[in-house]
Amino acid sequence: GQQVMQIPQYQHVQEGEDFTTYCNSSTTLSNIQWYKQRPGGHPVFLIQLVKSGEVKKQKRLTFQFGEAKKNSSLHITATQTTDVGTYFCAGTNAGNNRKLIWGLGTSLAVNP
Amino acid sequence: DTAVSQTPKYLVTQMGNDKSIKCEQNLGHDTMYWYKQDSKKFLKIMFSYNNKELIINETVPNRFSPKSPDKAHLNLHINSLELGDSAVYFCASSQLTGNSPLHFGNGTRLTVT
Repeated sequence: GQQVMQIPQYQHVQEGEDFTTYCNSSTTLSNIQWYKQRPGGHPVFLIQLVKSGEVKKQKRLTFQFGEAKKNSSLHITATQTTDVGTYFCAGTNAGNNRKLIWGLGTSLAVNP
Repeated sequence: DTAVSQTPKYLVTQMGNDKSIKCEQNLGHDTMYWYKQDSKKFLKIMFSYNNKELIINETVPNRFSPKSPDKAHLNLHINSLELGDSAVYFCASSQLTGNSPLHFGNGTRLTVT
């Protein structure tokens, strides 16, 4: 079945360092969404990418959707302690838009 | 406040009991979901309803029965609870199915002893 692989599973950085998490799908996606879940909280929607090669920025966060629409990345510049949490990608299969396929998440820890 | 709200926030119960979790959204969304998140953080979809109609039913034991009385409510009833049912259960809603962002409730932490 379709999978969305997300790496790394964990990342520990010093405050001020950059951070990147990657998602790879075995099939072409129609869109990819990114969510952030703070410890003890619920997933919160960050952004959706739809177009091939799309790049979107939210302050220190940069999101990319690959040209083949099979991979995506989230890059955080100069991490802060408020960035701590688990980041999930989730995409819908180009052939079946009803079901969102989730990555396993990347847990980010930031040392002050 | 516009939101997805679920109750209760915490649920501690013994094996074999039956329990329910309730969810309501006032966002006017057509689609609602139940997700299970285990201790490893993996988010697993259980059910999805679109306008009260069941559209996604993953491989979930039939001890779990969702009910959607109207498109703003999706409840989850669990019979004969087992230790492995311990997890955080999230309700979510979206405007469309699959292609629009999900809005999650705060979660219900279920502990089965």
